[in-house]
Amino acid sequence: GDSVTQMEGPVTLSEEAFLTINCTYTATGYPSLFWYVQYPGEGLQLLLKATKADDKGSNKGFEATYRKETTSFHLEKGSVQVSDSAVYFCALSDLAGTASKLTFGTGTRLQVTL
Amino acid sequence: GAVVSQHPSRVICKSGTSVKIECRSLDFQATTMFWYRQFPKQSLMLMATSNEGSKATYEQGVEKDKFLINHASLTLSTLTVTSAHPEDSSFYICSAGRTYEQYFGPGTRLTVT
Repeated sequence: GDSVTQMEGPVTLSEEAFLTINCTYTATGYPSLFWYVQYPGEGLQLLLKATKADDKGSNKGFEATYRKETTSFHLEKGSVQVSDSAVYFCALSDLAGTASKLTFGTGTRLQVTL
Repeated sequence: GAVVSQHPSRVICKSGTSVKIECRSLDFQATTMFWYRQFPKQSLMLMATSNEGSKATYEQGVEKDKFLINHASLTLSTLTVTSAHPEDSSFYICSAGRTYEQYFGPGTRLTVT
């Protein structure tokens, strides 16, 4: 079945540091890939997405590129802020064009300090 | 656009009682809604998928008679936790599907005492 593997957290960084959160996936076919962010006490918000190989999703300074050859979708940001402290979830959907079941990774907690 | 609300945001109930959680898509119609459960410091576990006007599809291991899901309209789905017990205490999150994306509600924190 489909699965998503994320790097273990928590990740602690100083403000303005470079961020990478690794995500790899296993899926049949050609899934759509997502990063969701969950701020403390809140629900999930879509951060960015990519629907086909080599697509780059980007939002709020975060980027991730859909790499089919390495089955990866690593999240990066060049300079993190304290306000980026949250839990980040990588996810895939195995049916493009429909709102189908999402498979989530276990989440990576990011803590940014001054 | 694509706002999903949940009500209530927090609920405390006594063991043995039932609790209903509502999930609404406020500005779009959602033929499919999803219910997730999130344990502390863990990922989301899909409980069931509900389609408007039909029975929900439950994931393996989820008790259908305990977690009743109704999707009565294109903008409303409800999850009822029947005869709740302390082990049902969790964070319940719904999402509504539109095209190939899901839009998540803010979640409901259920505490069973």
